Amino acid sequence: GAVVSQHPSRVICKSGTSVKIECRSLDFQATTMFWYRQFPKQSLMLMATSNEGSKATYEQGVEKDKFLINHASLTLSTLTVTSAHPEDSSFYICSAATGPFPYEQYFGPGTRLTVT
Amino acid sequence: GQNIDQPTEMTATEGAIVQINCTYQTSGFNGLFWYQQHAGEAPTFLSYNVLDGLEEKGRFSSFLSRSKGYSYLLLKELQMKDSASYLCAVADSNYQLIWGAGTKLIIKP
Repeated sequence: GAVVSQHPSRVICKSGTSVKIECRSLDFQATTMFWYRQFPKQSLMLMATSNEGSKATYEQGVEKDKFLINHASLTLSTLTVTSAHPEDSSFYICSAATGPFPYEQYFGPGTRLTVT
Repeated sequence: GQNIDQPTEMTATEGAIVQINCTYQTSGFNGLFWYQQHAGEAPTFLSYNVLDGLEEKGRFSSFLSRSKGYSYLLLKELQMKDSASYLCAVADSNYQLIWGAGTKLIIKP
């Protein structure tokens, strides 16, 4: 089946630093990638949708200058949390989809970010 | 606004049957998804319904009534490994997925 990897799985960083999270579709080409944030016992919050080679579409309330998304190829998308603060600590999950809707989203294993 | 409602938590016994309900109010409808998410892991796809009725897939079945804004996920012959959260998500008129908070299912021996 389709596999999506995320790296790193866990990261601890100091307040004010930046962190980059990679999302890769390992055995398929993803036309669309999604970035989510999930707080404990809460639903997935879509942060942005990105298509290869074009700018990401951010959801309302998500700061595009703080959460930089780059979809460099059909198999790689990156999320950079710039000038991280403790309130950015969360579980970040990416997903990848191929083909037209209703596409199945294949999720990465997630990245646990802790900002101290 | 758009809203997805699911029970927060349910408990069932190994070998039994459980039904997890999901009601939704969204601007438009382009289908409803069910995902399973084990603790600390990413969600995995279970089912997609866009037409009314029951879709059966092994031990799992999913039902949809568009007129009622209602769906349920039916799990039969429960196994301990079914302990997980079950997420309901609806695609709105823009094909954007609106996610429920998930139902944590606890299976007891």
